[in-house]
Amino acid sequence: EVQLVESGGGLVQPGGSLRLSCVASGFTVSNNYMSWVRQAPGKGLEWVSVIYTGGNTYYADSVKGRFTISRDNSQNTLYLQMNSLRAEDTAVYYCARGSRGSSWSFDYWGQGILVTVSS
Amino acid sequence: DIQMTQSPSSLSASVGDRVTITCQASQDISNHLNWYQQKPGKAPKLLIYDASNLETGVPSRFSGSGSGTDFTFTISSLQPEDIATYYCQQYGFTFGPGTKVDIK
Repeated sequence: EVQLVESGGGLVQPGGSLRLSCVASGFTVSNNYMSWVRQAPGKGLEWVSVIYTGGNTYYADSVKGRFTISRDNSQNTLYLQMNSLRAEDTAVYYCARGSRGSSWSFDYWGQGILVTVSS
Repeated sequence: DIQMTQSPSSLSASVGDRVTITCQASQDISNHLNWYQQKPGKAPKLLIYDASNLETGVPSRFSGSGSGTDFTFTISSLQPEDIATYYCQQYGFTFGPGTKVDIK
């Protein structure tokens, strides 16, 4: 059974850092493209970052230069290192597995982890 | 960057009604469009990929169509468990703003 379990969220001050983890089971992270998607309170979905099977990474303009996506193949885990955090980064963060088809969809999602940036 | 719009932003319909949501891309995206359902407090769920392909296990009352810039998502007979917000997403990962569906 495919499962994604996020951890590492919490309350952090503006300018601080946090690292989110997403432990995968039931499939191999390095064999799929993987993404982070976030949702601010009461708002819609916002794509944050993707890492492709070959290791290429891409970011939304809103987080470029501050966030870094990575994976540990030995731990079958996806990460999101978040630096220079701002109030507008407050959101539930989901990790998601890339699916089949040509449209870069996501077929499995984690339960989400809340990140709150506040003083 | 490709921008996505959805309409309506919300709707109320009766059980058994046919519900249609539209999604428009700011430029031609061929058939590279996906639809998700998100219930309150839950993660999104993939319903339709590549504009019209039903994800495994998704009820057949859900369908999608369209290509280019204009896409349609349809629930043929609304059920109480379909109460949710629906999002389109294009292949550059941008999501539409969502359509909230309620029971009248």
